[in-house]
Order: sequence, then C-alpha cells, then structure tokens
Amino acid sequence: DAKTTQPPSMDCAEGRAANLPCNHSTISGNEYVYWYRQIHSQGPQYIIHGLKNNETNEMASLIITEDRKSSTLILPHATLRDTAVYYCIVRVADSNYQLIWGAGTKLIIKP
Amino acid sequence: DTGVSQDPRHKITKRGQNVTFRCDPISEHNRLYWYRQTLGQGPEFLTYFQNEAQLEKSRLLSDRFSAERPKGSFSTLEIQRTEQGDSAMYLCASSLGLAGKFFGPGTRLTVL
Repeated sequence: DAKTTQPPSMDCAEGRAANLPCNHSTISGNEYVYWYRQIHSQGPQYIIHGLKNNETNEMASLIITEDRKSSTLILPHATLRDTAVYYCIVRVADSNYQLIWGAGTKLIIKP
Repeated sequence: DTGVSQDPRHKITKRGQNVTFRCDPISEHNRLYWYRQTLGQGPEFLTYFQNEAQLEKSRLLSDRFSAERPKGSFSTLEIQRTEQGDSAMYLCASSLGLAGKFFGPGTRLTVL
C-alpha cells in the first residue's frame, strides 16, 4: 500500500470550510483513497473514499487531483464536534485491510 | 444499537496473565478486522477474517497473539503471557465489500 503524508495539525474557525490535504505521490492505479477520523477516546469513523473522481456524501467532499498524487478532504461547514484526528489512507482495491495508517492530521475547530 | 461493540472497554491485568477481548460486528458484515493503537499513532493492522476464515494473520505481533471467529459472527482476540508493551487500545472493525470499515469503541488494555 502506498504511503500518505499529512500535516500534523490544522486549525479552522467554526462555520468555515475545513480543507485537509493528503499527499500520496506513490499511489498505484488500483488504489483507493480513504478518509477516516477519530474523535478522542473513540474508534475511528469512516468518512469517504474515492478512486479518481471527486466524491461527496453527507459528511464531506473528497477532491482527488487528476494525477491522483494528492487529495483534499473538505468539511463544508466545520463545527466544534469535527475536532478530531483525520487519517488519509490508500488501499489496493482487492485488499481488505490497510497496513499503513500514519499519524493523521489533528484538526482543531475554534469557536 | 447496530454498531460494532467490544467487550470489555477497559482491562487492567498483571504481566504474565492471559487476556481475551470480544468483538461483535455489524450483523450483515462478513469481514472483521483487529487493530492495535498506541498513543499518538494510527491504528496498526493485526489480523482479518472473512466470515469464519482468518485470511491474514502474519501481522499478529507475536505467537502470544491469536484470534478466532468460530461461527463467522463475533470474534475474540487473546493475548497470552501479557507484557507491559502490550498496553494499548485494541480496535475491532467490520465491513461489507469495499465500503469503509465501521470501528468499535475499542478495548483499552493496561498491563501492570
């Protein structure tokens, strides 16, 4: 599985869009990009995933660059409850587990 | 509650004792995973089941670690002869197909 690089921490004002970047320059053509988040003392929570097209669900949007070497998770209207560690992971399509989780980005939403 | 559940939520044990954790996945999910997480780090994959078959166990940390899923439903993770270095959060997750995993709340193990 390809390795990802994320900033260790970010701040965002409540009500604004939070844009979390992720670099995955060694991603292969059959690897998906997944995002999870982990609120303190809880298990990780699945957010969204994509292969090459942009994706949107009720939680967030995922923007993947055309060369697929980076992506951005967008929380459109951040709330205090979005404060968490956000993990970007790449996974081979026919693999059923992610071997490599980095340390993620600690996102702090400020009032 | 239809999420992934884990029991116990917290376990304190003395070094050398055996411990067993249980995970109940979402009922329709055929895949079940165990991870370990230490402070400040992302989850570390341990093992994975599809139904009752353990399809990947090479990442189990040592032969003191074992996992079962006898009927393809709940799973147990056992650590024998615990060591202080085993202190961590043990997470269970389940999934169906390529969809994202649903994680349980974890079992926090403290080895004294």
